[in-house]
Amino acid sequence: DIQMTQSPSSLSASVGDRVTITCRASQYITNSLAWYQQKPGKAPKLLVYAAFKLESGVPSRFSGSGSGTDYTLTINSLQPEDFGNYYCHQYYSIPYTFGQGTKLEIK
Amino acid sequence: QIQLQQSGPGLVKPSQTLSLTCAISGDSVSSNSASWNWIRQSPSRGLEWLGRTYYRSKWYNDYAVSVKSRISINTDTSKNQFSLQLNSVTPEDTSVYYCGRAAARVGATDYWGQGTLVTVSS
Repeated sequence: DIQMTQSPSSLSASVGDRVTITCRASQYITNSLAWYQQKPGKAPKLLVYAAFKLESGVPSRFSGSGSGTDYTLTINSLQPEDFGNYYCHQYYSIPYTFGQGTKLEIK
Repeated sequence: QIQLQQSGPGLVKPSQTLSLTCAISGDSVSSNSASWNWIRQSPSRGLEWLGRTYYRSKWYNDYAVSVKSRISINTDTSKNQFSLQLNSVTPEDTSVYYCGRAAARVGATDYWGQGTLVTVSS
C-alpha cells in the first residue's frame, strides 16, 4: 500500500494568513493526488484533484502543487470558514489511501 | 445535481453482516465514466477506502486487501443503487461509512453520501 504522510498534524492560523499543508507519498503517484476539506459531522469535500486542478466552485484562494512524491495544499488569505480537517488522498494505486489529516484552527 | 443517499442499520452485532445501500440520483450506476466507492472513517483508522464497483462493458470490482475476504459490493441497476456487505464484523469495524462517486475525469471521489455511523456491538 502507498503510505501518505501529512504535515503538520495540526496548525493554528489567523484570518488573512497563508497556510501550507504538505503530503508525502511513499512512492511515485504521477499527480494522482487529491485534497479534501472536512467539517465536523460532514463528508469530505473535494478541493483539488490531479495535484493542482481546482474543483468547480472551490474558492481560488485554495491551490495545489507538487509532483512525484511531494505535494502541497496552499490556502491564501485564510478565511474564518476554512477551519476543519484537511486530507490528502492518492488514487494512483489500489488500495487508494489517505493521509492522516491536518486539523486547521482559526485563531 | 448528483446526490447519493445512504440507508442501512446503525447497529450490527459482532459476527453478523453489515449491509448499506447507496441510492444514486443525477447519474447512473452503469455509467462508463464513473466508479462507485465505499470509504469508512474512524478515529483509530482515519479514512479508509474499502472498495469500488464500475461498469466498462462489464462489471468490475476492486477491494482493499484488509477486507477482501469479507466484503462484497453489488449493484442494482433497476433501482440505480449500489450496496456494501461486510461479513463477520467485529467492534473494529465500527466507523462512519460513506459511499461516493469518482468521475473518471477526476479520479478521486467527487460526490459523497451523507455518511452512516455503524456501531458493532452486542
